[in-house]
Formats: sequence, C-alpha cells, structure tokens
Amino acid sequence: DGGITQSPKYLFRKEGQNVTLSCEQNLNHDAMYWYRQDPGQGLRLIYYSQIVNDFQKGDIAEGYSVSREKKESFPLTVTSAQKNPTAFYLCASSSSLDAYEQYFGPGTRLTVT
Amino acid sequence: KNEVEQSPQNLTAQEGEFITINCSYSVGISALHWLQQHPGGGIVSLFMLSSGKKKHGRLIATINIQEKHSSLHITASHPRDSAVYICAGSGGGADGLTFGKGTHLIIQP
Repeated sequence: DGGITQSPKYLFRKEGQNVTLSCEQNLNHDAMYWYRQDPGQGLRLIYYSQIVNDFQKGDIAEGYSVSREKKESFPLTVTSAQKNPTAFYLCASSSSLDAYEQYFGPGTRLTVT
Repeated sequence: KNEVEQSPQNLTAQEGEFITINCSYSVGISALHWLQQHPGGGIVSLFMLSSGKKKHGRLIATINIQEKHSSLHITASHPRDSAVYICAGSGGGADGLTFGKGTHLIIQP
C-alpha cells in the first residue's frame, strides 16, 4: 500500500539534545512538507521541498533543519536552538501533477523535558 | 500572507443533527481543503475544492469563490463523526497549506 510513514509515533528527549524525525513516502511524490501542530493553533509550515536536494523555509523554520537526499525521504531535525520543541509534527507529500492535494503521515508527538 | 478563519471552534450536537462548519479565506487562496483529525492525531483529507460542491456519503463541502467562503456539512451526524475538522487553503504550487485552527466536533448519542 502506498502512503507516508513517520517514526516514531512518540518521542521523548531531554532539553539541549538534537532529535531527528523520520518521514518516508512511497507515493512517488516530488513535494514533501513538515508541519507543526500546537494545542489551539492551526498547523504551521516548517519546511518544504519541491524536489530532491532542494528545500525552502516555511513560516516557522527557526531551530529546525531538513535534508532531501532521496525522493522518498525528508527527515526533520529539531535542534537545541528550537525554544519550544514539544509539539505534534506532521509530514505530508504531494504530486507535482496535483500540488493542491496533500497526503499526510500519522504524525510524531515529540516531548522535550 | 494567506489566512484561513474557521468557525465554530467547538461544536457539540446530538446524534442525527445536521452539522455545519464554516471557513473564510483570504485572496491568495485558490483551493480549499477539508481535513479530519481523529484523537490519535492522524489527518485524513476529506475534500479539495476550487469551485462548486462535492459530496461523499454524509459529508458535503461547498465553496463560494466570490465570497471566499466554504462550508462542510454533515448530515445525520453520528458519534463516530466526532473529530477535529480542519480547513486549509492552498495558493497553487507546491508551497504548503495554510490551516485554520480547527473545529472540535462532538456528537453525543
């Protein structure tokens, strides 16, 4: 079955540590996205990539980094510079043929203490 | 910057009631998405609209381009419809969606 996988579902880290969230898709989609969700707020765009080896900052990129070495993979690193990293992180992808329609992964809930 | 405003924020109704959730969006948005998020967090895309009306089962989504307004309706609501419903706008191109804050819907038996 085609889809997006994110791992792990729950992740716990100590403050000051970098952590990398995994996102893999087998939909052959060119574009991939990372969003952050906080209680009472809409999802906000962190980074997106329209093609391999290229990515752009979204609305809240500070304290995050990404890479896009393979079409299938778009890992997100939450660095120690991110002031409030505890949140729910969602990965999504879309086809270049239909950029309007995005498919979402199941999400990773990150807790930093 | 694109903006999406959604209402109501919370909605509790009895089983069988007709449900309406509203979404207004800004000028730069050319397509409107309705998404459903269950307590586990995963998001499912329900509809994507750039004009007119779409129906899937008991769910109906409409969009009025002139008024920049979209509605999601649920007919004969059921407790399993309880979820957060999110509208999101895209401006074309693969540069991500702008999301509303979501409507937390509870359908009581």
